[in-house]
Amino acid sequence: DIQMTQSPSSLSASVGDRVTITCRASQGIRNDLGWYQQKPGKAPKRLIYAASTLQSGVPSRFSGSGSGTEFTLTISSLQPEDFATYYCLQHNSYPITFGQGTRLEIK
Amino acid sequence: EVQLLESGGGLVQLGGSLRLSCAASGFTFSSHAVSWVRQAPGKGLEWISAISVSGTGTYYADSVKGRFIISRDNSKNVLYLQMNSLRAEDTAVYFCAKVVSADYWGQGTLVTVSS
Repeated sequence: DIQMTQSPSSLSASVGDRVTITCRASQGIRNDLGWYQQKPGKAPKRLIYAASTLQSGVPSRFSGSGSGTEFTLTISSLQPEDFATYYCLQHNSYPITFGQGTRLEIK
Repeated sequence: EVQLLESGGGLVQLGGSLRLSCAASGFTFSSHAVSWVRQAPGKGLEWISAISVSGTGTYYADSVKGRFIISRDNSKNVLYLQMNSLRAEDTAVYFCAKVVSADYWGQGTLVTVSS
């Protein structure tokens, strides 16, 4: 099974900050990775697919990069609505696996 | 508009069974593999099962293998999850979702396993 190690588990930042979240796969997954944002009580929403492609309607301050085993999600300038929990997901092989999540909090 | 509507959640006793349903609309359900994802209270997302387009391919996380059964009825556009031998740690919100090549999620249904 492919393990996804996501870091950090939590992050405090201010509006306007640039933040980066990382996911590392236990084996190569090509670019079969998505990044999700989840707010309390809501279903997750995909921000990035195929590691670096922005989902339609998602602001351009979100970007993804990486391939193989190392992936990053970057938010270039945090907005108030970005404070949420973020997850990576690999779908290269079953079982599909999520990262443990990163809780992004207001400093 | 794509909709996935879960139902069947509720309170069940330890060791009991429950069947969840997910009614799909707004897309060609029969052409897509679909999954169940759960989230225990205050915890992260956990993928638990997926089923292929035809239903012949089924996949499970180790945490539910041998206890849960995923199935689908393409004539009715419905996804199912039969949950048996329920444990306290199965308490969670269960989402049906398409997480590969598209991003469709239901609103979730809460399953509470109580002794």
